[in-house]
Amino acid sequence: GQNIDQPTEMTATEGAIVQINCTYQTSGFNGLFWYQQHAGEAPTFLSYNVLDGLEEKGRFSSFLSRSKGYSYLLLKELQMKDSASYLCAVRDINRDDKIIFGKGTRLHILP
Amino acid sequence: DVKVTQSSRYLVKRTGEKVFLECVQDMDHENMFWYRQDPGLGLRLIYFSYDVKMKEKGDIPEGYSVSREKKERFSLILESASTNQTSMYLCASSLGRAGTEAFFGQGTRLTVV
Repeated sequence: GQNIDQPTEMTATEGAIVQINCTYQTSGFNGLFWYQQHAGEAPTFLSYNVLDGLEEKGRFSSFLSRSKGYSYLLLKELQMKDSASYLCAVRDINRDDKIIFGKGTRLHILP
Repeated sequence: DVKVTQSSRYLVKRTGEKVFLECVQDMDHENMFWYRQDPGLGLRLIYFSYDVKMKEKGDIPEGYSVSREKKERFSLILESASTNQTSMYLCASSLGRAGTEAFFGQGTRLTVV
């Protein structure tokens, strides 16, 4: 099977930094995605990692360790508009290359 | 920009009705997916397709079927709607397999009464 675990909820303060962790178990890892989803809206793509290391994109960075089955999404200089759910998703080549999502982390930003 | 369009934003249907949810993408993507999203359960894959006339079961296909007669259109069919199929349904498409992200439609909030 395939398990993707991430915290259900997190709270952070405007202007601060927050790290959202994701652990996964898969037999045929073929890439990890992070999506952002505001309430009532569709998920939008944030980042993709397939090799170990850090991918930086503006205020957002994503890290991957394949040997540990671990990723994190780092959000810097938090803004109120960053209040959303953050979804970790994994592609498994042994499961028809399906993209399977975790349950998401709801991030609350306090002023 | 990639555009994935779902035919309805909100839908209310009666138990036992046959329901069609339509999804169209305009970027010639090969892959298309149907997910449902429920509180506390996240996004769960119902069916997906990697080519015209191809379909593969996802993790929760029971009670659903799909149709992909044209590359740009992927339809989800609820053969006989039931109240436990009340959910948010999300269609997605992607260009290829490895390394390409999925783009989502705006979602259809289906209520079965």
